[in-house]
Amino acid sequence: EVVLTQSPATLSFSPGERATLSCRASQSISTYLAWYQQKPGQAPRLLIYESSIRATGIPARFSGSGSGTDFTLTISSLDPEDFGVYYCQDRSTWPLTFGGGTRVEI
Amino acid sequence: QVRLVESGGGVVQPGRSLRLSCSVSGLTFTNFGFHWVRQAPGKGLEWVAMIWHNGSKKYYADSVRGRATISRDDSTDTVYLQMNSLRAEDTATYFCGKDMGAGYVDSWGQGTLVTVSS
Repeated sequence: EVVLTQSPATLSFSPGERATLSCRASQSISTYLAWYQQKPGQAPRLLIYESSIRATGIPARFSGSGSGTDFTLTISSLDPEDFGVYYCQDRSTWPLTFGGGTRVEI
Repeated sequence: QVRLVESGGGVVQPGRSLRLSCSVSGLTFTNFGFHWVRQAPGKGLEWVAMIWHNGSKKYYADSVRGRATISRDDSTDTVYLQMNSLRAEDTATYFCGKDMGAGYVDSWGQGTLVTVSS
């Protein structure tokens, strides 16, 4: 089982700032990583898959990068609607796993 | 548009069983696999199970293997999660999700809450 570690647990930003979130895998997972956003009381939403491909309808301010064990989600200019918890997810092996999440506070 | 609606949650005593349902619409059901993902109150996401588009393969998290069974009914476009020998740590909101074909979930239901308590 791949263990995904997200750090830090919480980040605070002002609107318009650039945010960089980290996800580290316990073993190499190539580019088999996705990022999800979840707001309170809502289901998660897929943002990025295969490390760097934006999902349908996701704004261009969201970008992903990385391969192997280190991955990054970047929000180029934070919008107030971007608050929430961000999770990474591995699909390289079964069982699938999620990271513990990073809360983004605006 | 794609819609997933979970049902079957509720309060159940430890050791008992529960079957969750996920009704799917807006897509060709037999073209897609489906996942169950859960979230304990105030905690993060935990992947639970996945079934292939044709039902030929099923995968489970270690925490539920042997106690959970995922299945699908292609005649009613419904996915199920049968949970047996429920424990307090199974208390969570259970989300059903559509697999985009690569092990990622690109459409989600609103979730159904399962509370295991005496």
